[in-house]
Amino acid sequence: GNSVTQMEGPVTLSEEAFLTINCTYTATGYPSLFWYVQYPGEGLQLLLKATKADDKGSNKGFEATYRKETTSFHLEKGSVQVSDSAVYFCALSRTSSNTGKLIFGQGTTLQVKP
Amino acid sequence: GAGVSQTPSNKVTEKGKYVELRCDPISGHTALYWYRQSLGQGPEFLIYFQGTGAADDSGLPNDRFFAVRPEGSVSTLKIQRTERGDSAVYLCASSSGQLNTGELFFGEGSRLTVL
Repeated sequence: GNSVTQMEGPVTLSEEAFLTINCTYTATGYPSLFWYVQYPGEGLQLLLKATKADDKGSNKGFEATYRKETTSFHLEKGSVQVSDSAVYFCALSRTSSNTGKLIFGQGTTLQVKP
Repeated sequence: GAGVSQTPSNKVTEKGKYVELRCDPISGHTALYWYRQSLGQGPEFLIYFQGTGAADDSGLPNDRFFAVRPEGSVSTLKIQRTERGDSAVYLCASSSGQLNTGELFFGEGSRLTVL
């Protein structure tokens, strides 16, 4: 069945460091891929998405490219800030017709130190 | 506020009791979802409503779980005969627009602890 695997956390970085959070998936068909973020004390919110192979999603300096050949959707940011400290979830849509029905990875906690 | 509101934020109950969790979605959002998040895991899909009807309840773990959305807005997740394994954070999300491109807006969740 469909699944998402993320790198284990926590990831601890100094401010302005480069960030990569790995995400790989298993799916039949061509799902849409997402990164959601949960800041402390807040609900999950969409960070970025990609709907087909080779698409690049981007937002707030974060980027992720839909790689069908490696079944990956790694999250990257060139220079992290303390305010980026949060839990990051990679997800794929269970069906192409409804992107609200998602399969999530287990989450990766990012801690950025000043 | 304008976001998804969930109540209670915390609920502690005893094994075997009945529990209701409420979700008030963003005004005008027709699609509503319930997810469950166990400690250290990502959210797991439970049920999806389009308007008043449950369009997909394939994620409900067993018949002790039931959800309603009688007027197409507020939804209630109901858990009968609670078990310790039901302890988790229950998340509600709503969405508008196209189902195949839409963004989910999540509430902060209701943390359920079954003793």
